Amino acid sequence: AQKITQTQPGMFVQEKEAVTLDCTYDTSDPSYGLFWYKQPSSGEMIFLIYQGSYDQQNATEGRYSLNFQKARKSANLVISASQLGDSAMYFCAMREGLWRSNTGKLIFGQGTTLQVKP
Amino acid sequence: DGGITQSPKYLFRKEGQNVTLSCEQNLNHDAMYWYRQDPGQGLRLIYYSQIVNDFQKGDIAEGYSVSREKKESFPLTVTSAQKNPTAFYLCASSAGGYSNQPQHFGDGTRLSIL
Repeated sequence: AQKITQTQPGMFVQEKEAVTLDCTYDTSDPSYGLFWYKQPSSGEMIFLIYQGSYDQQNATEGRYSLNFQKARKSANLVISASQLGDSAMYFCAMREGLWRSNTGKLIFGQGTTLQVKP
Repeated sequence: DGGITQSPKYLFRKEGQNVTLSCEQNLNHDAMYWYRQDPGQGLRLIYYSQIVNDFQKGDIAEGYSVSREKKESFPLTVTSAQKNPTAFYLCASSAGGYSNQPQHFGDGTRLSIL
């Protein structure tokens, strides 16, 4: 069974508009962390934002925010005021067993390709 | 600047040949990871290491080997037993252990078959 599901293979957004990229996850571990990464066409993976399962507030980092709905097991990434440079592939990832001795392994979703139109 | 350096950026392998991908980090991270990415796909874990002289298989370890003789270095060898090695390979590191810190990635190596 997929532990991380990103149901949108491709998305388009108009420049300066907001866009939401979906991510749902599956775990029975009460302690986990969710990460979003951006991968431009050049290939490097850029860390964007993190949300812990025990965090009370939704994470925000500049134009990025995370809509964390624990009961629904979803952690959607919201990008506000889209820019042309936001065109990339975006990956949601999960680490289980946070705050216990763990391997630090990440489980990745299949990714969503975002294209920002001028 | 602290970071992860992968080399080479592009690598070509002949049939029956072993090739080694380099990964070096100066972030003083304990844990290091190797991922494989096929076109349009997510990342799959090949091997990981939480400490020097110790490493574990990930989800797709067959046809690959690693070593961890130094904290800074985690080279990956793609052996001739890996029948479909063409892919993008990413190395990552993290503080590991009791940590919510993200993994940091290198710029990747693209491996192709000649």
